[in-house]
Amino acid sequence: NAGVTQTPKFRVLKTGQSMTLLCAQDMNHEYMYWYRQDPGMGLRLIHYSVGEGTTAKGEVPDGYNVSRLKKQNFLLGLESAAPSQTSVYFCASQRLGANTGELFFGEGSRLTVL
Amino acid sequence: QQPVQSPQAVILREGEDAVINCSSSKALYSVHWYRQKHGEAPVFLMILLKGGEQKGHDKISASFNEKKQQSSLYLTASQLSYSGTYFCGTENTGNQFYFGTGTSLTVIP
Repeated sequence: NAGVTQTPKFRVLKTGQSMTLLCAQDMNHEYMYWYRQDPGMGLRLIHYSVGEGTTAKGEVPDGYNVSRLKKQNFLLGLESAAPSQTSVYFCASQRLGANTGELFFGEGSRLTVL
Repeated sequence: QQPVQSPQAVILREGEDAVINCSSSKALYSVHWYRQKHGEAPVFLMILLKGGEQKGHDKISASFNEKKQQSSLYLTASQLSYSGTYFCGTENTGNQFYFGTGTSLTVIP
């Protein structure tokens, strides 16, 4: 049972390049989240999804887009990477009803934008 | 929207106690607590669903004051393995789940 898998785990981009981070979960969870983690800032919510075909903005959505075409996958896209997007990105999933259960996290994706 | 935690950092000797506080400006429906070791993903510790509820997990317990929109994590008789960064997580409205700013805890022998 893999849980939550993020790919890639490491990536270096040049300013202006685009890329997509993939999050896949095999627990049939409804809710999925993308966070970024920067030193001293904790985990900040970028976008989230409460089910297949739905997405919504979190607190720091600018510069990112997401899609949830399949229930098990949540994609995070950077159309034109900027050095300010250098961060560690975590995906998490949660079963239906945010009050009812823990968030399961992927191992993280470390992105560096030069 | 991000909850505020205090203190930002704390250093303890083995066996000492610590309290970590989490405060939100928004009404809370639930509070989670997670611990993250360096270079790893956060790991779930516990969830509190009702106002005033206290939950325990070994020597780690937590309380949730719904009225004050606050939660506290209590670590007693700390062990070296308790070292890490602790985050509270809160769900308010609209299924948005926000994490606090984090508290770095270091336990030394």
